[in-house]
Amino acid sequence: DQQVKQNSPSLSVQEGRISILNCDYTNSMFDYFLWYKKYPAEGPTFLISISSIKDKNEDGRFTVFLNKSAKHLSLHIVPSQPGDSAVYFCAASVASGNTPLVFGKGTRLSVIA
Amino acid sequence: DGGITQSPKYLFRKEGQNVTLSCEQNLNHDAMYWYRQDPGQGLRLIYYSQIVNDFQKGDIAEGYSVSREKKESFPLTVTSAQKNPTAFYLCASTSTIRTGGTEAFFGQGTRLTVV
Repeated sequence: DQQVKQNSPSLSVQEGRISILNCDYTNSMFDYFLWYKKYPAEGPTFLISISSIKDKNEDGRFTVFLNKSAKHLSLHIVPSQPGDSAVYFCAASVASGNTPLVFGKGTRLSVIA
Repeated sequence: DGGITQSPKYLFRKEGQNVTLSCEQNLNHDAMYWYRQDPGQGLRLIYYSQIVNDFQKGDIAEGYSVSREKKESFPLTVTSAQKNPTAFYLCASTSTIRTGGTEAFFGQGTRLTVV
């Protein structure tokens, strides 16, 4: 049973436009959410996170939105750049410290110049 | 520089052989994890350890074993019982940041291929 779902395996966006990556979760105990970026043959790198006490967190071109009632979060990248092309993983955890992150299957973003 | 080091980056194994993947961290993190990545499958948890000399099975532990004798080290052994060992293996560690969440830091991964 998949607790974290990324229903779009891939997304293509023109350079300069907004990229919106979506993530849904089923476990209502999750209260901390993260986005990771991954290039081929490399480990994921942390991008941005949000705790359930907030509904928005912004860091430069990256903004994560959380809708707890819908159990949905999204990552907005604006403006999108070719270097943003990678696989993006959504992850969730219960913020009690050192609990394993549960990952979605990822969305491959391609930013076209 | 602090970080997580996985070695080797590429590993080839003959069928029926056990192989051990190394993971070392100098971040002073208490918890360490092993994930496996397959195409279209995301990251699946194999084993994790929250403290030295203790570890728990993840979602896909069958055919794998681990040890945690030192805080810095969490080696993963892929045994001959693992039916489909060819995959990309990722080691991670976590610290609890002030907001209470757990941000995982990952190594660069080991690509294991069974030949």
